[in-house]
Amino acid sequence: KAGVTQTPRYLIKTRGQQVTLSCSPISGHRSVSWYQQTPGQGLQFLFEYFSETQRNKGNFPGRFSGRQFSNSRSEMNVSTLELGDSALYLCASSWGLGADTQYFGPGTRLTVL
Amino acid sequence: QQQVKQSPQSLIVQKGGISIINCAYENTAFDYFPWYQQFPGKGPALLIAIRPDVSEKKEGRFTISFNKSAKQFSLHIMDSQPGDSATYFCAATSGSRLTFGEGTQLTVNP
Repeated sequence: KAGVTQTPRYLIKTRGQQVTLSCSPISGHRSVSWYQQTPGQGLQFLFEYFSETQRNKGNFPGRFSGRQFSNSRSEMNVSTLELGDSALYLCASSWGLGADTQYFGPGTRLTVL
Repeated sequence: QQQVKQSPQSLIVQKGGISIINCAYENTAFDYFPWYQQFPGKGPALLIAIRPDVSEKKEGRFTISFNKSAKQFSLHIMDSQPGDSATYFCAATSGSRLTFGEGTQLTVNP
């Protein structure tokens, strides 16, 4: 069974731009969560989607948003990029809402210049 | 109350030795405690996990010890190998929102 895939793997943007990251969960998994990883803050929860609805949200500004499609694929969007948004963005999938075992993708490395 | 504290920040052991990483939590609602291993350029990979009704879980060379009353849990890597050199994260969750520790960079010298 294929793992979680994320595209693109690397992105370079400038301040003020917006970016969209994509995640395809493991086949059969219906819940997708997003995490931000930085050297200073570590791994932090962004949000979780299940059945095309955001079910849980972390402490991030409204510039961070996401959505989920009927095939469980998910996208996250960051608008008005700031230098501090430079991070590894990780997607994790699990079989259902509240399922504790999560499997991570390789991440998208975003650099904001 | 949502924090998970992890120590040490870095750890160096010799090949064949035992690596021990410790974590502590505050939120008693946490009911699932996974450990993840992350290599440079890769996403975290689930290593082993435990629920609070069990005091120990062993999978191969990896063992989790869990002390519910102390709200502490630890990862033991027996017979550590150079290939185990990676960053290890403990985590805790109630439902699907993972709260991670700060990470431990493990180096196993040959």
